[in-house]
Amino acid sequence: DAKTTQPNSMESNEEEPVHLPCNHSTISGTDYIHWYRQLPSQGPEYVIHGLTSNVNNRMASLAIAEDRKSSTLILHRATLRDAAVYYCILRDGRGGSQGNLIFGKGTKLSVKP
Amino acid sequence: DTGVSQDPRHKITKRGQNVTFRCDPISEHNRLYWYRQTLGQGPEFLTYFQNEAQLEKSRLLSDRFSAERPKGSFSTLEIQRTEQGDSAMYLCASSPSGYYGYTFGSGTRLTVV
Repeated sequence: DAKTTQPNSMESNEEEPVHLPCNHSTISGTDYIHWYRQLPSQGPEYVIHGLTSNVNNRMASLAIAEDRKSSTLILHRATLRDAAVYYCILRDGRGGSQGNLIFGKGTKLSVKP
Repeated sequence: DTGVSQDPRHKITKRGQNVTFRCDPISEHNRLYWYRQTLGQGPEFLTYFQNEAQLEKSRLLSDRFSAERPKGSFSTLEIQRTEQGDSAMYLCASSPSGYYGYTFGSGTRLTVV
């Protein structure tokens, strides 16, 4: 399985932007980059995904390097509610069992008031 | 729609007892997934269903574990002869067919004493 590497933890101040990095040097051409987050005592929550181009939605932006070997999840203005573990996952676009989500340990984001 | 529901939220059982958890997915989702999560780790894939068919099982799913989705709607996960190592959060997720994000439930926390 293709793997991702994320920092164990990061800190941010409230209302400031947060850039969460992810390295995936062995990404294949059919792998999509997915981000999920998990708030305390809850199940993971889908955030965003992309293949090659940068993506924006109401929750976040995803910036993908030109060689696709790294990506960055951007929270434009962190709030206390964004404190969570953020998972960067490669998911095979061919679907089937190859498309199941395989989680790593993620990055624990702390947000200070 | 209220999302993915899991019952119970918490379960404490004695070692050697059998336990069963239930998951009600989002009604129009035909894919259903079970994951297990221990403290400090990301969720680990256990198994998934497309409608009533169980299409993949992880090596983590020992013969003490069985999952069913009899009518392609709700699913149950049973653990027989529980062991202390089974203590974990058991998460259920669902998704439509095709390439979509998963929606997770809040999980069932199992404690084996």
